[in-house]
Amino acid sequence: KNEVEQSPQNLTAQEGEFITINCSYSVGISALHWLQQHPGGGIVSLFMLSSGKKKHGRLIATINIQEKHSSLHITASHPRDSAVYICAVLYGQNFVFGPGTRLSVLP
Amino acid sequence: GAGVSQTPSNKVTEKGKYVELRCDPISGHTALYWYRQSLGQGPEFLIYFQGTGAADDSGLPNDRFFAVRPEGSVSTLKIQRTERGDSAVYLCASSSTGLGDTQYFGPGTRLTVL
Repeated sequence: KNEVEQSPQNLTAQEGEFITINCSYSVGISALHWLQQHPGGGIVSLFMLSSGKKKHGRLIATINIQEKHSSLHITASHPRDSAVYICAVLYGQNFVFGPGTRLSVLP
Repeated sequence: GAGVSQTPSNKVTEKGKYVELRCDPISGHTALYWYRQSLGQGPEFLIYFQGTGAADDSGLPNDRFFAVRPEGSVSTLKIQRTERGDSAVYLCASSSTGLGDTQYFGPGTRLTVL
């Protein structure tokens, strides 16, 4: 069984700060997703990656397959980035989700 | 274009009743996924359809849960003899061809079993 862990569980930052959220998993995977869930429940897929690094606007995601670890970085954070960030790994034919990291960015 | 839609948005039922939750994926998406999210937790995989067939239903918690996608588009998640522990937000997602694609999530159906 693939265990997915995220850290930190909760994170409060000041606007403009650089933020890092970590995800680690226990078994080899074929892909990893970073998801954003805003209050009210809507989920948006941010990245899907299987190696290396991807960048979209102020968001950067990296994955190290050997270390079974991925990070999501947010540069120049803004209050609208406040959400729960969820890591989900593709293991076999289904997804295993991490517990999420709740981010609050204060103005 | 239209995203993934789910109906109803909220469903309150009594213990022991039968419920159906509907998901309309993005038009043309062949892959469809059902997840369940309990309060304060991350989503939990239930079932994955590729076309009309269930490619992986290993996440369904027991035989009270069943899902269909008869024409390869709309899917219905069916729960028999509901229990209070079934209360959760049921999320549906679709992707273009399969597991390696970006998933687009619906708004979810909040099920409350009294």
